[in-house]
Amino acid sequence: KAGVTQTPRYLIKTRGQQVTLSCSPISGHRSVSWYQQTPGQGLQFLFEYFSETQRNKGNFPGRFSGRQFSNSRSEMNVSTLELGDSALYLCASTDTSTNEKLFFGSGTQLSVL
Amino acid sequence: SQQGEEDPQALSIQEGENATMNCSYKTSINNLQWYRQNSGRGLVHLILIRSNEREKHSGRLRVTLDTSKKSSSLLITASRAADTASYFCATARGAGNTPLVFGKGTRLSVIA
Repeated sequence: KAGVTQTPRYLIKTRGQQVTLSCSPISGHRSVSWYQQTPGQGLQFLFEYFSETQRNKGNFPGRFSGRQFSNSRSEMNVSTLELGDSALYLCASTDTSTNEKLFFGSGTQLSVL
Repeated sequence: SQQGEEDPQALSIQEGENATMNCSYKTSINNLQWYRQNSGRGLVHLILIRSNEREKHSGRLRVTLDTSKKSSSLLITASRAADTASYFCATARGAGNTPLVFGKGTRLSVIA
């Protein structure tokens, strides 16, 4: 099976712009979670989607949003980018029969200038 | 907010030595998981230990769990240079198994 695929791998944006990141989960996985990783805050949970519905949400401002499509692919969007949004954004999928361990993609490294 | 806290933050050892990392958490859990991350990449699941288990082995990995102390340890035996990475413990925040909340990790350097 192919692993979790995230695109793009690297992204450079300027303050005020918006960005969309994409994640394709492992085939058959219906749960997709997003995390933000920074050196200062570590791994912070953004949100989780299951069957096109947001199931859990972390403590992030409304500028961060996501969605999931019927094929389980997910996107996250950040509007009005700030310098502090520079981070590695990680997507992970879960086998919903067990709903336990996460399978991560390689991440999207976002730099906001 | 972090549910798990790893200790130490950084660890440097010689190849062939054992490496021990600790994790403390705050609330009751169904299971505790350990993940590894090579620099700038995604995390890879290493091992899961359930709340009714005290010890688990997988290859050179040994994990213990003490629910009374809300702590876990990860032991890597006979370390190799390729084990150099960051190691994270993770627990579910709520009653279910998601979302997983990660600690800030232990940065392990294995020197050849």
